[in-house]
Amino acid sequence: DGGITQSPKYLFRKEGQNVTLSCEQNLNHDAMYWYRQDPGQGLRLIYYSQIVNDFQKGDIAEGYSVSREKKESFPLTVTSAQKNPTAFYLCASSRERAGGPRETQYFGPGTRLLVL
Amino acid sequence: QQPVQSPQAVILREGEDAVINCSSSKALYSVHWYRQKHGEAPVFLMILLKGGEQKGHDKISASFNEKKQQSSLYLTASQLSYSGTYFCGTVTGGSYIPTFGRGTSLIVHP
Repeated sequence: DGGITQSPKYLFRKEGQNVTLSCEQNLNHDAMYWYRQDPGQGLRLIYYSQIVNDFQKGDIAEGYSVSREKKESFPLTVTSAQKNPTAFYLCASSRERAGGPRETQYFGPGTRLLVL
Repeated sequence: QQPVQSPQAVILREGEDAVINCSSSKALYSVHWYRQKHGEAPVFLMILLKGGEQKGHDKISASFNEKKQQSSLYLTASQLSYSGTYFCGTVTGGSYIPTFGRGTSLIVHP
């Protein structure tokens, strides 16, 4: 079955530590996205990538970094510069490179990041 | 610019109807609707496109008023499984990536 997998489901971060969240898709989608979800805030865009080896900052990119070395994979690193990282992180993908107003985003199951 | 959803929360009994609204301050190209159960991924429900084309779920309907820059999601004869948080995502041009509202929490009681 095609879909998006995220791991781990729960992640604990110590102060000053960088952590990496995994996102893999086997839908053959060109575009991939990372969102952060806080209670009552909806989904806020962190980074997106429309093609391998290219990515763009979203609305809240500070303290995060990404890479897109393979079409199927779009890992997100939460750096120590992100002072309030506790949130639910969702990865998504869509079929076409340009996104397009018709394109549906498909979401993974999410990773909940907690700070110790 | 984040779209505004209303109401923030709705509590229903099974079989009752609900309407969730999504308003944008900019002209809309499309509106995407998702439902999310607690701790799970948002699930696509419906997309409404400028010009009237609509793709999505056959048990849920929606409207798209381009002039008012609004969309409404209609849930009729609600079932317990309809419970969750509903998000609208609006595409307003420039970038084709939806901007999501804060969500509307829907609780359906037996």
